[in-house]
Parts: sequence; C-alpha cells; structure tokens
Amino acid sequence: ETGVTQTPRHLVMGMTNKKSLKCEQHLGHNAMYWYKQSAKKPLELMFVYNFKEQTENNSVPSRFSPECPNSSHLFLHLHTLQPEDSALYLCASSQLDSRGYTFGSGTRLTVV
Amino acid sequence: KNEVEQSPQNLTAQEGEFITINCSYSVGISALHWLQQHPGGGIVSLFMLSSGKKKHGRLIATINIQEKHSSLHITASHPRDSAVYICAVSFPPINDKLIFGTGTRLQVFP
Repeated sequence: ETGVTQTPRHLVMGMTNKKSLKCEQHLGHNAMYWYKQSAKKPLELMFVYNFKEQTENNSVPSRFSPECPNSSHLFLHLHTLQPEDSALYLCASSQLDSRGYTFGSGTRLTVV
Repeated sequence: KNEVEQSPQNLTAQEGEFITINCSYSVGISALHWLQQHPGGGIVSLFMLSSGKKKHGRLIATINIQEKHSSLHITASHPRDSAVYICAVSFPPINDKLIFGTGTRLQVFP
C-alpha cells in the first residue's frame, strides 16, 4: 500500500456505459494527477489538480471528465469510451514544494 | 522524438550481475525521477535527483546536469529486481507534472 488508493483495480465496460475511477490519498499532498499508460507507449499526463483546482488538461477527449471534490479525492468519470481507451490509468499525488511523487496501483480498464 | 530517452529498451541479466540503465533528456529540468513498475502495474518511486548521486540499498542513481544524463545502477542483481524501470523528469517553474521515458524492461534470471 503506497498511500494512494485506486479503485477499482480492474474494470471492463461497454462503449455505452458510464463508470467512474476513484483515487484517494491521505498523505497531505496538495496535487493529484491522472496518467494513462497504453501498451508500448510512455505514461501520458491527462489531468493535474493543484490545491483542488484543475491546472492542466492535456488535450484529453471530453469522454474523460475529472472531478476533485477535495484535496484527498480525485475521480475520473468515463462515458461513451472507445476500445482504444483501454489502458492502465494511474493516479498519483505529490507535495509541490518537495516534488516527491506517490503513485497508486492503477486501474486496468478494458473497453469492449 | 520523446523528450526523455532511455536505453536499453530491454535488458536481461544473470543473477549477481551489475546493471546500468541510462536516461537522457533534452531540456532543462528541475528534477529527475527513477520509478519501478512491476507486472501488476503499480509504480514505486525509487529516486528523485536534481544533482549528484543517491544510493538506496543495492540501487544507485547518478545525474549529470551539464550532459543532461542520468544512470540507474543495480549491484548484485536478483530475480526480484525484474521490472520495468522508468525515467521521468519535471520542469520548472512549476514542478507539478512528469514527462516519462518509454521504460527499460529488466529480467534477471537465477
């Protein structure tokens, strides 16, 4: 357990479904992130929240919708996904002034 | 071209061997991170460097800021070291996001 908890660990969803990924940290960090890892590609930044405010949206399609209700929780809402969205979605948190990162275990998403 | 390049992409070794993984980057950075990813997918942060050298157990990380290059060394490698090792960098002025290399897949055989 790293201190960043992601649920679920695995998710299979149809293209018409709506689901949400959840991330939770109680490390006192003030920034949270969603990263995507597709097969044979480097990890890609999707969204950054600093102090609960979204500061980065890395050209992510609108079918991915982040939500950060407080500094400890981060969600990624999914709707009408495509099979090419199948990937490992990783949440991370950091304390900006120390630059140290902690990653969650990821959610392996399969879109059928 | 990726801003962060790693070599080699794949590496196999016999238990006990000394291993080196290299990382080069193309722009000024605020910090460089070495990460370890096991088959289950979770990522563990091994080191964060902005200069010099750090050591933790059998792992050593070095960085040369002038040459924009870092190395991760594993001494006396063990099969449990088998994983993907990822180099990532963060940039000033806001050190909030990471740019990743493609990773080096290491397999250590008994």
